[in-house]
Amino acid sequence: EIVMTQSPATLSVSPGERATLSCRASQSVSSNVAWYQQKAGQAPRLLIYGASTRAAGVPDRFTGSGSGTEFTFTISSLQSEDLAVYYCQHFNNWPPIFTFGPGTKVDIK
Amino acid sequence: QVQLQESGPGLVKPSQTLSLTCTVSGGSISSGSYYWSWIRQPAGKGLEWIGRIYTSGNTNYNPSLKSRVTISVDTSKNQFSLKLSSVTAADTAVYYCAVEWLVDEGFDYWGQGTLVTVSS
Repeated sequence: EIVMTQSPATLSVSPGERATLSCRASQSVSSNVAWYQQKAGQAPRLLIYGASTRAAGVPDRFTGSGSGTEFTFTISSLQSEDLAVYYCQHFNNWPPIFTFGPGTKVDIK
Repeated sequence: QVQLQESGPGLVKPSQTLSLTCTVSGGSISSGSYYWSWIRQPAGKGLEWIGRIYTSGNTNYNPSLKSRVTISVDTSKNQFSLKLSSVTAADTAVYYCAVEWLVDEGFDYWGQGTLVTVSS
């Protein structure tokens, strides 16, 4: 079973600054990683899939990168509305299973 | 664009079966090639994928829940459903339905979620 871990657990960033979040897979997962944003009381929103492709309508300040076991999600210039928990997610082809990381909470400093 | 809406009892007794339905609008559940999933989230915790059903009816389940989960589809009502048997307090969570619509291996449309509490 592939385990996804995320760091840090909480990240405090000032508006306008860069936020960098990490996601690590317990074994190589190629580029099968997605990133979600979940604001309080809302369903998650897909931001990135295939490790680096933005979903439709996602602002370009959100960027994903990485492959293998190490993945990075970056918010280039943090906005107040980016306060949320961010989850990485992997899909394993066989057996088919989606696995989420534990999340990184992004606070506005 | 496709929209999803969960419905079902908000309170289930321990040892009973949790039953939820996801109604799809803005698209046909039987057209195209889509995977329709259930995902849950206990309060203050992370996301857990429960399982999915393909347009054809094929299913995949999370091994940790497989023995208790059944996902089915009703194309006549444009709905898919979740049944989780022998529930305990650990099954208390917000349950979401979601779909891999324009994206493979990621959920680009979600329902708003419904809270199910397991308690006597």
